[in-house]
Amino acid sequence: GENVEQHPSTLSVQEGDSAVIKCTYSDSASNYFPWYKQELGKRPQLIIDIRSNVGEKKDQRIAVTLNKTAKHFSLHITETQPEDSAVYFCAANNFNGGSQGNLIFGKGTKLSVKP
Amino acid sequence: NAGVMQNPRHLVRRRGQEARLRCSPMKGHSHVYWYRQLPEEGLKFMVYLQKENIIDESGMPKERFSAEFPKEGPSILRIQQVVRGDSAAYFCASSPRGQGSYEQYFGPGTRLTVT
Repeated sequence: GENVEQHPSTLSVQEGDSAVIKCTYSDSASNYFPWYKQELGKRPQLIIDIRSNVGEKKDQRIAVTLNKTAKHFSLHITETQPEDSAVYFCAANNFNGGSQGNLIFGKGTKLSVKP
Repeated sequence: NAGVMQNPRHLVRRRGQEARLRCSPMKGHSHVYWYRQLPEEGLKFMVYLQKENIIDESGMPKERFSAEFPKEGPSILRIQQVVRGDSAAYFCASSPRGQGSYEQYFGPGTRLTVT
C-alpha cells in the first residue's frame, strides 16, 4: 500500500519569509495529492491539491509542485503571515478497490510564523 | 451551503461502554470516509463507505468497530466496549460522486475520551 513521508516535522520562519514542506510517496498508482491545514482543535482544511497530470499549481501565496518520477511533492508558502501558523499535512490517494481511494497522510509539519 | 456535520463534538465514555459517532456529508456527496487522529499525529484511514455499501474497511480494527451509511440518515461509526486506547479525534470526510472527484472535505470531528 501507499506510504507518505513528510519533512520537516517542525518549521519556524520569520513573517514574510517563505516556507517549504516536502513529501514523498511510494505507490506510483497514486494520482491525487492534497494538502491540508489544521489549526489547533479544528478540522483539516483542504488548501490546495494537485493531480499527477500537472507539475505545478499555484493559488495566491500557496503553490504545490509534483515530481512523478521521483515520487515527491512540495508545498511552498510565500510571504508568510502569523495566521499561516498551523499544522500542515500532505496526503496521497490510495487505491484499494473501489472507484475512489482513501487518503494516506504524512505525519504533519508544525509551521510557526514569528511576527 | 452546509459543510460536513459531525455529532457529538465531544463524547465521554467509560471503559466498556459503546460510542456512536455520526456524520452527515455535504449535500450532493455520496462518499464518506472515516479517519482517526491521535494527539500530535496524522490522520489514519479507517473505512470508506457509499450509501448502503462498505467499499473499503481495511483500516478499521476487526473487533469492536463497525460503520454504516444507510440509505437515509447519517453515516455512523460505532465502537463497542471502548478502551482507553480508543481516545482520539474521529473525523469524517465526504467527497462528491463520480470518477475523478477526489477532493475530501472534513467535518469538525468528534473528540472521544474514554475514562
